[in-house]
Amino acid sequence: EVQLVESGGGLVQPGGSLRLSCAASGFTFSSYEMNWVRQAPGKGLEWVSYISSSGSTIYYADSVKGRFTISRDNAKNSLYLQMNSLRAEDTAVYYCAREHCSSTSCHFDYWGQGTLVTVSS
Amino acid sequence: DIQMTQSPSSLSASVGDRVTITCQASQDISNYLNWYQQKPGKAPKLLIYDASNLETGVPSRFSGSGSGTDFTFTISSLQPEDIATYYCQQYDNLYTFGQGTKLEIK
Repeated sequence: EVQLVESGGGLVQPGGSLRLSCAASGFTFSSYEMNWVRQAPGKGLEWVSYISSSGSTIYYADSVKGRFTISRDNAKNSLYLQMNSLRAEDTAVYYCAREHCSSTSCHFDYWGQGTLVTVSS
Repeated sequence: DIQMTQSPSSLSASVGDRVTITCQASQDISNYLNWYQQKPGKAPKLLIYDASNLETGVPSRFSGSGSGTDFTFTISSLQPEDIATYYCQQYDNLYTFGQGTKLEIK
């Protein structure tokens, strides 16, 4: 059974840092691209970042570029999101999501349960 | 960046009704569009991929259509368990979600 379990969320002051983790199991983690998606309280979904299966290709949303860093450790079946210079508007539930791509399509087929990040003084 | 405009933002319908949600892309995205369902406190769930393909295990009352810039998501006969927020997502250039449609029972 595919499982994605996020951890590392919590309360942090503006300007602070936090590192999120996503532990993957039930599939060959090193074969899949991964993403982080966030959802502010009462708001919609916002794609945050993408990392290729090898880690060689990375993309970020403009809203987090230069502040967040996505990474992965395929030996540990883990995905990470290092968040620096946090702002109140980064407050959200952060989901990791597995990307499934064929020759013609891509979608997020499995999601974690999410971890809440609250940025407040 | 590709913007996705989803409408309506909320919708109230009765059990058995046909429900339609639209999603418009700011540029041609071919059929590179997915639809997700999110229930309160839960992670999103994929329903439709490539604009019109039903994900395995998803009831056939859900369907999608469209290409280019205009897309439609339909529930043919609304069931109580369909109460959720629905999102479109483009994947032509990175990823963008629509703002969501909150579906309620009348």
